[in-house]
Amino acid sequence: DAGITQSPRHKVTETGTPVTLRCHQTENHRYMYWYRQDPGHGLRLIHYSYGVKDTDKGEVSDGYSVSRSKTEDFLLTLESATSSQTSVYFCAISDNSPLHFGNGTRLTVT
Amino acid sequence: GENVEQHPSTLSVQEGDSAVIKCTYSDSASNYFPWYKQELGKRPQLIIDIRSNVGEKKDQRIAVTLNKTAKHFSLHITETQPEDSAVYFCAATTTGNQFYFGTGTSLTVIP
Repeated sequence: DAGITQSPRHKVTETGTPVTLRCHQTENHRYMYWYRQDPGHGLRLIHYSYGVKDTDKGEVSDGYSVSRSKTEDFLLTLESATSSQTSVYFCAISDNSPLHFGNGTRLTVT
Repeated sequence: GENVEQHPSTLSVQEGDSAVIKCTYSDSASNYFPWYKQELGKRPQLIIDIRSNVGEKKDQRIAVTLNKTAKHFSLHITETQPEDSAVYFCAATTTGNQFYFGTGTSLTVIP
């Protein structure tokens, strides 16, 4: 397994609460990504990072923010969770190479 | 941005038969096309990839073909086995660092 750890693995939260998901890598890869996976939609890019403090939006970035203060950590924050953000979230890493995914975080917003 | 379409969304085959999954892409500048397999409850894992300077690549029972003119690429699995049952995703990228995924194909191999 590529050295990618996502935490938590499962989370249930209420609408309107803030949520932070964490991705930690030990591969020293430059690029880190957050995807969400929903039935019928495949994997959709939320945000990605190309270096410390360098981030950019993906195709479904509304309602999400990210931060990368260290090469190894990439945080995804839902400022005020909504039911439409119930999903499985995958972190991925690359360095001009194929994407390698973490094990995912299942988030349920009630 | 790039748009990747994948067909079929579901596919059932008898054990031992072949399975083919097709993807089309919109950006002619895309130059790298990986395929991922995702078993139930697991993370997507790379199974094979192809670059735009190659027309076909094989790895045991799995092959990928690329038609740059038509902007489509396909995954071929021969002699399917029950453990091939999974969701398969195609992807395309122009930069090597922004990947666009198809919506997935759920493959069921019937013993």
